[in-house]
Amino acid sequence: AQKITQTQPGMFVQEKEAVTLDCTYDTSDPSYGLFWYKQPSSGEMIFLIYQGSYDQQNATEGRYSLNFQKARKSANLVISASQLGDSAMYFCAMNTGFQKLVFGTGTRLLVSP
Amino acid sequence: GAVVSQHPSWVICKSGTSVKIECRSLDFQATTMFWYRQFPKQSLMLMATSNEGSKATYEQGVEKDKFLINHASLTLSTLTVTSAHPEDSSFYICSARGLAESSYNEQFFGPGTRLTVL
Repeated sequence: AQKITQTQPGMFVQEKEAVTLDCTYDTSDPSYGLFWYKQPSSGEMIFLIYQGSYDQQNATEGRYSLNFQKARKSANLVISASQLGDSAMYFCAMNTGFQKLVFGTGTRLLVSP
Repeated sequence: GAVVSQHPSWVICKSGTSVKIECRSLDFQATTMFWYRQFPKQSLMLMATSNEGSKATYEQGVEKDKFLINHASLTLSTLTVTSAHPEDSSFYICSARGLAESSYNEQFFGPGTRLTVL
């Protein structure tokens, strides 16, 4: 069975600083995908970044990067140069093959001026 | 591209009535659609997976007779909450996925529907 664990219910960061949101996963399938989504108070799920299990390099998308450590089964999201608009819930998710997404419990990020 | 819409964005209904929520893929054909439920301050919980033209597959613990899902076309899936009760009040989010060989083979989420049952 697949499982995603996010151990940080909440995180605080000052504007312009970097922050790391933790995510660990568990699966016995050698092929899987890892996702990060942002959910602002409006409720929409905004796709941020994707990492495939066979990708050799860590994924990056603008200010977002994914620190993928396969041996540790971790896929932490790094947000550089935080902005006030980054305040939101962040969910880590995983799927295997063409299967459903399994979500973690989320981390609420608050960016202060 | 890859826009998914939901209608309505919010709905308030009386206990005992039925509510229909629509999920549409606007610019691609969605062979699979997923329905999620999210309680306040909690994560998304998958309710069911629907493939176009076939019956939905419900997750364990989800009442199929209460949450009716129809995926009659490649661009539309509907979730009907029958005989709604206050405990059904929640945020319902759909996602859509295109053909595996297409550029839309990941899940694209709709904006969600907030249901309040009085």
